[in-house]
Amino acid sequence: DSGVTQTPKHLITATGQRVTLRCSPRSGDLSVYWYQQSLDQGLQFLIQYYNGEERAKGNILERFSAQQFPDLHSELNLSSLELGDSALYFCASSPRGGPNTEAFFGQGTRLTVV
Amino acid sequence: DAKTTQPNSMESNEEEPVHLPCNHSTISGTDYIHWYRQLPSQGPEYVIHGLTSNVNNRMASLAIAEDRKSSTLILHRATLRDAAVYYCILRNRDDKIIFGKGTRLHILP
Repeated sequence: DSGVTQTPKHLITATGQRVTLRCSPRSGDLSVYWYQQSLDQGLQFLIQYYNGEERAKGNILERFSAQQFPDLHSELNLSSLELGDSALYFCASSPRGGPNTEAFFGQGTRLTVV
Repeated sequence: DAKTTQPNSMESNEEEPVHLPCNHSTISGTDYIHWYRQLPSQGPEYVIHGLTSNVNNRMASLAIAEDRKSSTLILHRATLRDAAVYYCILRNRDDKIIFGKGTRLHILP
């Protein structure tokens, strides 16, 4: 158990809908990362937050947004969902920012868009 | 982002050491070398990281070439539970963790 909790574990929704994925980082971890993993794309970095502020942005679509709250949990909002958004979404946390630290991943949320 | 090159797949026998290579010829002086692995149906798992010196932990060892253009992840005694995709990643100050395709490691009983 990495200590990172993602909810829900599974989500099935229809095209055009909006969903929110939640990530609770390990206690005290300031940095949160979001990833999308689909069969044909591998693990794609979406966005990173550090202590409530956006720190790095990857291949995140405009239909997607995220935030990190004062209690350090994070939410990833996906809107106007398309079939191609079906994927595993992972959240990771690390104690601090920077390259000299490890990240701990949750078990993911499996999103199916029908 | 500096790139890494890994073999697509490797096989090893159970209870034998495994050496997973990674080339990173464009590495910069401030890039850290990280290894993660992803077991089937699980999230990625941190394995080890280092900057210049070789590193050991309870999971593995990381051997870094003197010129830092390559590194090797060493699993000292592979078990069936080590079958996974192993990712070699360079991280620098921009703090992203960018995954490539990794090496799929098969362990033969």
